[in-house]
Amino acid sequence: NAGVTQTPKFQVLKTGQSMTLQCAQDMNHEYMSWYRQDPGMGLRLIHYSVGAGITDQGEVPNGYNVSRSTTEDFPLRLLSAAPSQTSVYFCASGNGGAVYNEQFFGPGTRLTVL
Amino acid sequence: AQKVTQAQTEISVVEKEDVTLDCVYETRDTTYYLFWYKQPPSGELVFLIRRNSFDEQNEISGRYSWNFQKSTSSFNFTITASQVVDSAVYFCALRTSYDKVIFGPGTSLSVIP
Repeated sequence: NAGVTQTPKFQVLKTGQSMTLQCAQDMNHEYMSWYRQDPGMGLRLIHYSVGAGITDQGEVPNGYNVSRSTTEDFPLRLLSAAPSQTSVYFCASGNGGAVYNEQFFGPGTRLTVL
Repeated sequence: AQKVTQAQTEISVVEKEDVTLDCVYETRDTTYYLFWYKQPPSGELVFLIRRNSFDEQNEISGRYSWNFQKSTSSFNFTITASQVVDSAVYFCALRTSYDKVIFGPGTSLSVIP
């Protein structure tokens, strides 16, 4: 199993550009989520999904869109990048519902917005 | 609202000392899960332990131990006889019945040889 994979690993954008961060998991997990990590702020939840076709907002959803068309994939879209979105982005997956266990994290994407 | 507080921003200890990392959580849910994760300098996030709200049994695993107290909404983590390899950022996290998993700001632990 590859676990949770994220692409790209590094990305530099100019203000106003759009892009999609990719996340995929091969563990058949229902639950997937996106976090951003900034110095001193820990990991802040952006969006999460409890299954295909179901998404919900986390703590800091503004400026980001998500969709979940398949169990495996959970892309994160930045429609118009801003310098405040410079961060490290982590995708995670886990079992949901009553058998909830820990989340498995991808290696992260380091995004810089100029 | 759900919230996780880790009041210790940075801790430095000398190798072989014991160290306790504090975690205080807030939730109105009666069913919830608590987690500890470790993030070494390499950047990956490593799961350490999970506890649900109905299981207040404390646990010891090697040099690690956890103290869960619902009465004080705390889920503290102790490393006994710390080692340089324990140097990392440690995160406490809370998952409630609404499926949101909220992380605390983290505690950066430096173990000095």
